[in-house]
Amino acid sequence: GAGVSQSPSNKVTEKGKDVELRCDPISGHTALYWYRQSLGQGLEFLIYFQGNSAPDKSGLPSDRFSAERTGGSVSTLTIQRTQQEDSAVYLCASSSGSGSNQPQHFGDGTRLSIL
Amino acid sequence: ILNVEQSPQSLHVQEGDSTNFTCSFPSSNFYALHWYRWETAKSPEALFVMTLNGDEKKKGRISATLNTKEGYSYLYIKGSQPEDSATYLCAVNTGTASKLTFGTGTRLQVML
Repeated sequence: GAGVSQSPSNKVTEKGKDVELRCDPISGHTALYWYRQSLGQGLEFLIYFQGNSAPDKSGLPSDRFSAERTGGSVSTLTIQRTQQEDSAVYLCASSSGSGSNQPQHFGDGTRLSIL
Repeated sequence: ILNVEQSPQSLHVQEGDSTNFTCSFPSSNFYALHWYRWETAKSPEALFVMTLNGDEKKKGRISATLNTKEGYSYLYIKGSQPEDSATYLCAVNTGTASKLTFGTGTRLQVML
């Protein structure tokens, strides 16, 4: 079946522009996560959605970052007024439940480059 | 801040060699440990999720053990093959079911 789908796969934009990254999770998966990997760093948690509960936004690095999940399915991560330090690979993952023992299924990521 | 450490950072082995690497984490408030394999130009792939002290999991030539009391997990690869070349990521859930805190990974290169 279809895996987690992310778009675009690559995005190059100028500093100060806004960008939107999209994630389409595996059908039926109630949990959705966003991570990013900056150069030389490990995967960093950004935000987590579970069903209709309020999202866990504790990993968002600044108020320029926001995310929403419409209808419990597709999610968009928005970065406003992008800065060069926002350059990273942004990964989305989904899982079939919120339990800590559920493996996460990742998309291929969006490589974001801020000029 | 939870610190998940992996060692070594990178590893080169010959085809057929067996190898292992380590993930260390704080033992307090432990919920689960995940291992993922991340091949270049692909998405991370779940290998194992372990929750109980003494857990051992196996998938083909790859196996993992977990010691939650001392805060470490080992990943073993028996008879390494070139297709095993990837970055192996360890991640830990503590105190909440939502967040995974990742280590920086062990990059394995298997040479012919």
